[in-house]
Amino acid sequence: EAQVTQNPRYLITVTGKKLTVTCSQNMNHEYMSWYRQDPGLGLRQIYYSMNVEVTDKGDVPEGYKVSRKEKRNFPLILESPSPNQTSLYFCASSTNRGPNEKLFFGSGTQLSVL
Amino acid sequence: SQKIEQNSEALNIQEGKTATLTCNYTNYSPAYLQWYRQDPGRGPVFLLLIRENEKEKRKERLKVTFDTTLKQSLFHITASQPADSATYLCALDAAAAGNKLTFGGGTRVLVKP
Repeated sequence: EAQVTQNPRYLITVTGKKLTVTCSQNMNHEYMSWYRQDPGLGLRQIYYSMNVEVTDKGDVPEGYKVSRKEKRNFPLILESPSPNQTSLYFCASSTNRGPNEKLFFGSGTQLSVL
Repeated sequence: SQKIEQNSEALNIQEGKTATLTCNYTNYSPAYLQWYRQDPGRGPVFLLLIRENEKEKRKERLKVTFDTTLKQSLFHITASQPADSATYLCALDAAAAGNKLTFGGGTRVLVKP
């Protein structure tokens, strides 16, 4: 089954404790992206990757890191999480970022930073 | 930057009626517009895409219109069913905005039996 898999589904952590949210897709997609979703603010893009070893900042990249060493994986790293990073996170992928490409989203990771 | 406005108030509608949602945008003229469905706690799921040179697109009970003069898209769910209850997001892509799909805040639809 074609899908984007995120882990973990839920995560509670404390301020300053490094964490990684994994994202993997099995569709051989070139483009991958991370979003966060907050009430009243909608989906905001954190980082995206056009291909292996190619990443770029989205609208809200501060406090986050990503890497794209393999085509299928695009982990999101929070080196020193803070409470304002409490949010619902989504990974998404598409064939490329052309004008008619739909995004496939993962099921989300609900992160709480205490 | 591109701004997208969707009605933040929930739309309550009776089963069988047509639900109509609006998506208004400013600034860049998008090359295309997409609509997604999102259920609580789940990731958005793609529904429809309409290009700037298309006025209308249909898929089963769904219809999308795109008016570049008004800078607006309308999303219709005809013969609505309780299973259609969800949040619907519009997303715009503009060449001038780079490789980014910008999402609206979504409109929640509640279909009552």
